[in-house]
Amino acid sequence: DAGVIQSPRHEVTEMGQEVTLRCKLISGHNSLFWYRQTMMRGLELLIYFNNNVPIDDSGMPEDRFSAKMPNASFSTLKIQPSEPRDSAVYFCASSAGTGGNQPQHFGDGTRLSIL
Amino acid sequence: AQSVAQPEDQVNVAEGNPLTVKCTYSVSGNPYLFWYVQYPNRGLQFLLKYITGDNLVKGSYGFEAEFNKSQTSFHLKKPSALVSDSALYFCAVRALFYGGATNKLIFGTGTLLAVQP
Repeated sequence: DAGVIQSPRHEVTEMGQEVTLRCKLISGHNSLFWYRQTMMRGLELLIYFNNNVPIDDSGMPEDRFSAKMPNASFSTLKIQPSEPRDSAVYFCASSAGTGGNQPQHFGDGTRLSIL
Repeated sequence: AQSVAQPEDQVNVAEGNPLTVKCTYSVSGNPYLFWYVQYPNRGLQFLLKYITGDNLVKGSYGFEAEFNKSQTSFHLKKPSALVSDSALYFCAVRALFYGGATNKLIFGTGTLLAVQP
């Protein structure tokens, strides 16, 4: 079975540009998590959804960040406008169920560099 | 406050020796605990979990972890380390929200395991 698929794997863009990161969940999973990883701050949860509904977006840095689930198997994380401090590796993960007893399955991330 | 602590930034061990990566947690009630491994340029991969039952949990790649409620610990162990085990290891606990369950995980800061040949 295919795992969580993220695209693009690498993105380099200039400050001020809009960035869209994409994530395809594992079939049958109904929870979706977006994380950011940096050397300085480690792994941070940005937002998560259960059954396409955002449950906790307290980790979203500011209004420049937005996340959506247009359908049950796909999600986007958008940054507009982007800033150099947004440079990081962004991961999405999916899991089955909403009770927290199933593991999260991570994609291999998008490495984002904002110049 | 809910938290996970991994007190060692790095653990060094010789190949063939036993390894332990430490994790302690702070959360009320019965914890759901997880270990993940991250190889360079990859996402986190699930190793094992403790939900209920036997305190010794076995997982992927020969790893196991022991849940100790009195010490609020969930240390990761392996009897004989391999060079290929060298990676970043994360412990995580399920978060609670106003005492109720969520499926959000609180991760530790990670421990880099270096296995020398």
